Amino acid sequence: GENVEQHPSTLSVQEGDSAVIKCTYSDSASNYFPWYKQELGKRPQLIIDIRSNVGEKKDQRIAVTLNKTAKHFSLHITETQPEDSAVYFCAASRTGNMLTFGGGTRLMVKP
Amino acid sequence: EAGVAQSPRYKIIEKRQSVAFWCNPISGHATLYWYQQILGQGPKLLIQFQNNGVVDDSQLPKDRFSAERLKGVDSTLKIQPAKLEDSAVYLCASSSTTGGRSPLHFGNGTRLTVT
Repeated sequence: GENVEQHPSTLSVQEGDSAVIKCTYSDSASNYFPWYKQELGKRPQLIIDIRSNVGEKKDQRIAVTLNKTAKHFSLHITETQPEDSAVYFCAASRTGNMLTFGGGTRLMVKP
Repeated sequence: EAGVAQSPRYKIIEKRQSVAFWCNPISGHATLYWYQQILGQGPKLLIQFQNNGVVDDSQLPKDRFSAERLKGVDSTLKIQPAKLEDSAVYLCASSSTTGGRSPLHFGNGTRLTVT
């Protein structure tokens, strides 16, 4: 089955700096890669996703890049704000199969 | 649109007792998932339904866990008997299609504590 590794497990940045979270996956047939944000005690919420036919996708201050050859994808958050503080999960799946999640990254943005 | 509804929000039971969780997905969503999220870890899929049929239950501990979605809408997840290691948040999610063609929408989860 699919295995998703996520790094780092914790990340602390100053407000205004950029944050990068990296994930690697094992199943070369995986073709869908979403990122979820989970605030303390709340549900995971989709913030951005990318499919394997695209190398990069942006949405305001967040972007995701995908390297299919190396089987890794990354989340980039620019101009971080205190409200970006949360746990971020990457995930991967192939068509027809379930999402496999990474272990999560706790992002702390210091004002 | 209304979100995924789950109940109860919290449940505390003793080991060897049984417990049931309920989920009502977003209206019209054919696919329903149950995930287990242990503190500090990512969600782990337990079971996936497509309408009222099971698509994948390979990670469901079938000796103690069971789930059903009889009419293809809401679903229940049961644990009997519970063990200490079952303490976790149980998340229900739904999507309009299977396998990543549409995003997953999560409920608020049920936090289970087994003592």
